[in-house]
Amino acid sequence: KAGVTQTPRYLIKTRGQQVTLSCSPISGHRSVSWYQQTPGQGLQFLFEYFSETQRNKGNFPGRFSGRQFSNSRSEMNVSTLELGDSALYLCASRGVDDSPLHFGNGTRLTVT
Amino acid sequence: AQSVSQHNHHVILSEAASLELGCNYSYGGTVNLFWYVQYPGQHLQLLLKYFSGDPLVKGIKGFEAEFIKSKFSFNLRKPSVQWSDTAEYFCAVNLISGTYKYIFGTGTRLKVLA
Repeated sequence: KAGVTQTPRYLIKTRGQQVTLSCSPISGHRSVSWYQQTPGQGLQFLFEYFSETQRNKGNFPGRFSGRQFSNSRSEMNVSTLELGDSALYLCASRGVDDSPLHFGNGTRLTVT
Repeated sequence: AQSVSQHNHHVILSEAASLELGCNYSYGGTVNLFWYVQYPGQHLQLLLKYFSGDPLVKGIKGFEAEFIKSKFSFNLRKPSVQWSDTAEYFCAVNLISGTYKYIFGTGTRLKVLA
């Protein structure tokens, strides 16, 4: 069974630009969550999508948005990038609601 | 508000030393509990989990954790650490109600000296 796949692995963007990150969950998993990981802040929850609907949301500004498609693949968009958005963005999927999360390798975003 | 606290942010141990990482959560309802580990350059992976039953659970690589319901704690232990245990460890709680929200602790960076 293939794991959670995130693309691209690395991104370099300039302040003010926007970026879209992609996540393909494990086959059959309908829940996809996004996290931001930085050395100073640890693992910060962005949002979770389940069956194309946002089910849970963290405390990030509206510049961070996401969506989920009918095949459960998810995208995360960050608009008007700031230097502080530089981080590792992790995607995780799960099968049933009370099961463990399965993480992808992440997308390393650098904003210059 | 629900939260997960990990008391140690950085831990440095010598090989063969014993390890205990603290984790406490604040939520009065039913939870599932997890420890995840992130080795350098690798993705987060499940170390062990507690759903119900025996409060002492064993995971991979000799790790174990004990759920103490009265203390809302789920501490991670290993009797003798190895250099290869150098990693970041995250405690997580899955709330078993509503939207089944997941809450992570801030993580503990463990460095094991050879």
